[in-house]
Amino acid sequence: AQSVTQPDIHITVSEGASLELRCNYSYGATPYLFWYVQSPGQGLQLLLKYFSGDTLVQGIKGFEAEFKRSQSSFNLRKPSVHWSDAAEYFCAVDRGSTLGRLYFGRGTQLTVWP
Amino acid sequence: GAGVSQTPSNKVTEKGKYVELRCDPISGHTALYWYRQSLGQGPEFLIYFQGTGAADDSGLPNDRFFAVRPEGSVSTLKIQRTERGDSAVYLCASSVSGTGNTEAFFGQGTRLTVV
Repeated sequence: AQSVTQPDIHITVSEGASLELRCNYSYGATPYLFWYVQSPGQGLQLLLKYFSGDTLVQGIKGFEAEFKRSQSSFNLRKPSVHWSDAAEYFCAVDRGSTLGRLYFGRGTQLTVWP
Repeated sequence: GAGVSQTPSNKVTEKGKYVELRCDPISGHTALYWYRQSLGQGPEFLIYFQGTGAADDSGLPNDRFFAVRPEGSVSTLKIQRTERGDSAVYLCASSVSGTGNTEAFFGQGTRLTVV
């Protein structure tokens, strides 16, 4: 089945520690790839996106993600987490043939300890 | 407006009632999407509009769900004979063209609770 997998439901890190959130997809071709963040009571905010070209993409708030075709992965990273990064993070893909329709993973909830 | 606006932000309704959820997209965005987000899940696609027409409604779960966008701007998601299982956050998003490699901007959602 075609899907987007975020294997970690909940991650807890200390403030200042590094972070990596995993995302794998199972579509045949290289899709368009996105990471969104959702804070309580807020809408989804785009952190970064990959369409083509350089496989390491930079986003807002100090986040970056690396597309690895061989692993069908698009993991999100941040070298030093801030307390304000606590939120839910969603990986999403657009298969490129579905007119902008996004397929989302189930999300990873990030808790940051002071 | 500056962003995608959804009203109401919260809606509580009784089982069996009819509800309408409104989405006001970013001005000039021709593509509009509705998603549904159940507790503990990622958003799931419902329907996509390009202009006034529904280009893809394959995500609508059954015929109790219907959406319109009569003038190519504001959209209304309509749910008839609501069931408790319809309780979720309904998200609307818009983008410039809907070609896939453009950013979709999301509203804050409408939290629907069916009691």
